Amino acid sequence: AAGVIQSPRHLIKEKRETATLKCYPIPRHDTVYWYQQGPGQDPQFLISFYEKMQSDKGSIPDRFSAQQFSDYHSELNMSSLELGDSALYFCASSLGGGSINEQFFGPGTRLTVL
Amino acid sequence: AQSVTQLGSHVSVSEGALVLLRCNYSSSVPPYLFWYVQYPNQGLQLLLKYTTGATLVKGINGFEAEFKKSETSFHLTKPSAHMSDAAEYFCAVSASDSSYKLIFGSGTRLLVRP
Repeated sequence: AAGVIQSPRHLIKEKRETATLKCYPIPRHDTVYWYQQGPGQDPQFLISFYEKMQSDKGSIPDRFSAQQFSDYHSELNMSSLELGDSALYFCASSLGGGSINEQFFGPGTRLTVL
Repeated sequence: AQSVTQLGSHVSVSEGALVLLRCNYSSSVPPYLFWYVQYPNQGLQLLLKYTTGATLVKGINGFEAEFKKSETSFHLTKPSAHMSDAAEYFCAVSASDSSYKLIFGSGTRLLVRP
């Protein structure tokens, strides 16, 4: 069965650079969630989209922005990167933003900021 | 608002022994509760979930959890630990008043001794 695809899997950036993380949900899934997991920490919700509209926003810095495109894939754009942005970024997809359907997680993108 | 507390950042058991991972939640509306497992450098895999109905929920790999509203608990158990169960386990809560995003606990690392 198709799973959530995230690219790239690993990314190394310098401070103050920008990064773009991509998420391709499971086919027919219309909802995408982004989570950030710092070293040794639990995943923290960043932002979510349902049918290409932002549905909720968590502890996402103003330096970050995201969107969901017409094909339902999503991109997380991160600017002015800081050392503290080094983390594992997960994308999860589900069907139906207004219901408690299971969120399927991608393998994550490991971002390292030097 | 919702929150999750996992008691014990590390739990160590012998192979074949009972596994008990504790999770307490707080929610102002009926909660949806989940247990996820994360192996090193991998994504999150759903073990089981409680939404409505039967309070004893069975999941994959022999795990089960019981929703106890009076105790606001959702503890995870497995009768007999296997070496392959060694991983990080996250309890999470979600609710209809918050776009169904997942709020994770701080995680419990399960160690299985031979």
